[in-house]
Amino acid sequence: GAVVSQHPSWVICKSGTSVKIECRSLDFQATTMFWYRQFPKQSLMLMATSNEGSKATYEQGVEKDKFLINHASLTLSTLTVTSAHPEDSSFYICSARDGGFSGDEQFFGPGTRLTVL
Amino acid sequence: AQSVAQPEDQVNVAEGNPLTVKCTYSVSGNPYLFWYVQYPNRGLQFLLKYITGDNLVKGSYGFEAEFNKSQTSFHLKKPSALVSDSALYFCAVKDQAGTALIFGKGTTLSVSS
Repeated sequence: GAVVSQHPSWVICKSGTSVKIECRSLDFQATTMFWYRQFPKQSLMLMATSNEGSKATYEQGVEKDKFLINHASLTLSTLTVTSAHPEDSSFYICSARDGGFSGDEQFFGPGTRLTVL
Repeated sequence: AQSVAQPEDQVNVAEGNPLTVKCTYSVSGNPYLFWYVQYPNRGLQFLLKYITGDNLVKGSYGFEAEFNKSQTSFHLKKPSALVSDSALYFCAVKDQAGTALIFGKGTTLSVSS
């Protein structure tokens, strides 16, 4: 089946630094990738939709200058948290859409745990 | 606007008993409905989906779900629960292909031995 990886799986950084999270589709081409954020014991909140070769579409309330998304190839999307603060600490999950699959299924990465000190 | 409701924060069942995790949805068009399971500090694992066709959908690990258009529901069921089924379950919906999934708040399933 389709596999999506994320790197790193967890990261601890100091306040004010930037952190880059990678999302890769390993065995399929993902024209669209989605970035979600999950707080402890809460649901996944969509942050942005990333289409290969174009600018990401951000959900209302998500700061595009703080959460930079790049989808430079059909297998890689990156999320950069700029000038991270403790309130950015969260579990970030990406998913990739494989339009070739019946039903337009999305495949999820294992998530990245970000802790900002 | 699309929305998903999972009315129960937690469901407790004894091993071997049937389980049901409830989900209702609201979309403007025909729904694409999904169930995912999440184990602690892990990503989401796909269980099953309904796009079209038979209202009863069978998925991974013995789970199934029934699409009920009149009640706008898509409850997850399993005839006999296992302790290993204990996890966080998410119902999700979208109204057209290519768009992001909208998730319910999640239901914690606890299966006791």
